[in-house]
Amino acid sequence: SQTIHQWPATLVQPVGSPLSLECTVEGTSNPNLYWYRQAAGRGLQLLFYSVGIGQISSEVPQNLSASRPQDRQFILSSKKLLLSDSGFYLCAWSASGPPTVQFFGPGTRLTVL
Amino acid sequence: LAKTTQPISMDSYEGQEVNITCSHNNIATNDYITWYQQFPSQGPRFIIQGYKTKVTNEVASLFIPADRKSSTLSLPRVSLSDTAVYYCLVGDSAGNKLTFGGGTRVLVKP
Repeated sequence: SQTIHQWPATLVQPVGSPLSLECTVEGTSNPNLYWYRQAAGRGLQLLFYSVGIGQISSEVPQNLSASRPQDRQFILSSKKLLLSDSGFYLCAWSASGPPTVQFFGPGTRLTVL
Repeated sequence: LAKTTQPISMDSYEGQEVNITCSHNNIATNDYITWYQQFPSQGPRFIIQGYKTKVTNEVASLFIPADRKSSTLSLPRVSLSDTAVYYCLVGDSAGNKLTFGGGTRVLVKP
């Protein structure tokens, strides 16, 4: 069966510090991968998605970036965090091709102080 | 991308049936309709997916009229543990850009 991992589970970072969140998927190959952010009490905002190694599409211009160095690894990064980057970050995967069902990881709670 | 509109919140009582309707007036021919459930501090969990008419699984039913401009998620005999936010999504034909709206916050009372 497929599983998706995210780490760390929680993170407290000062403004201006770098960020690296990692997501890995097991039990499938060539998945579509997604990064979402959820502000407190709000819906999910799609940040990035990837259909293959090195292929990243950005949905929202911001100071975050994503990379996919391996088939089942997706990394969210920032060089300098802003207060507004605080939130709940979720990674998800789906099998290639429609119809799409996304499976989500446990999430990372990021607090920028 | 097809935009979806859902009620912000709904209250219900244990044992009742809960129906949440989602509007998606500009749904495309190849789009599927998918519903997710989210508990606090957890990722959304897939509930059900459909294209037209009716789909039923062990936890819910999904009703889609012929024009597909709306859909209704039906949760039979809810319990307190069904208190969550429910999201309706409509995907593009490639399925890559599923957009989550604000969702419907369902509160089940004893």
